Amino acid sequence: DAKTTQPPSMDCAEGRAANLPCNHSTISGNEYVYWYRQIHSQGPQYIIHGLKNNETNEMASLIITEDRKSSTLILPHATLRDTAVYYCIVRVASGNTPLVFGKGTRLSVIA
Amino acid sequence: EAQVTQNPRYLITVTGKKLTVTCSQNMNHEYMSWYRQDPGLGLRQIYYSMNVEVTDKGDVPEGYKVSRKEKRNFPLILESPSPNQTSLYFCASRGSGAAHNEQFFGPGTRLTVL
Repeated sequence: DAKTTQPPSMDCAEGRAANLPCNHSTISGNEYVYWYRQIHSQGPQYIIHGLKNNETNEMASLIITEDRKSSTLILPHATLRDTAVYYCIVRVASGNTPLVFGKGTRLSVIA
Repeated sequence: EAQVTQNPRYLITVTGKKLTVTCSQNMNHEYMSWYRQDPGLGLRQIYYSMNVEVTDKGDVPEGYKVSRKEKRNFPLILESPSPNQTSLYFCASRGSGAAHNEQFFGPGTRLTVL
């Protein structure tokens, strides 16, 4: 009963933008979109989150479509250290609602 | 430095020998949780705690216990470990209110039960 759908893998050339898509067609009005990544069996790392507006921080940008049924995480200048599994998660941002991790997208940044 | 620490990082044990994996955070977070990660199954939540003395089951609690006597610590206890508990374990914490969005994860504990 995954709430999100992501491609299993993607490649990106070093220095280019990495655009990682995520479908969440059943998202509810009070659910946020979160992105985490996991570098080779390390603990997952928070990247960014958003509700309906586009968001940007020092790591990435998050573009959410107007109908909120899909989003794209953008790493503007991918480096080899960005090679990781990227997880797109939808979640109500309150209480004890857990993060539910799907299979994510394995991004390989190639020199 | 804000962080979640776990000990030990690696552990090999035998079936039935009780063990505890410690987890500590220095961010005064109310919420803490434990996950296990297995190939093909992803990250699954074992237990979580909303605050001191408040714990609840996640998706895969069987065979595990937790306690939350202090805000900073959330140990995971395996009373009688079995081989199917061989896994990579992560502890995590997050704050409440405006700080509730970012969840911090520990470095992981790789457990092997023989």
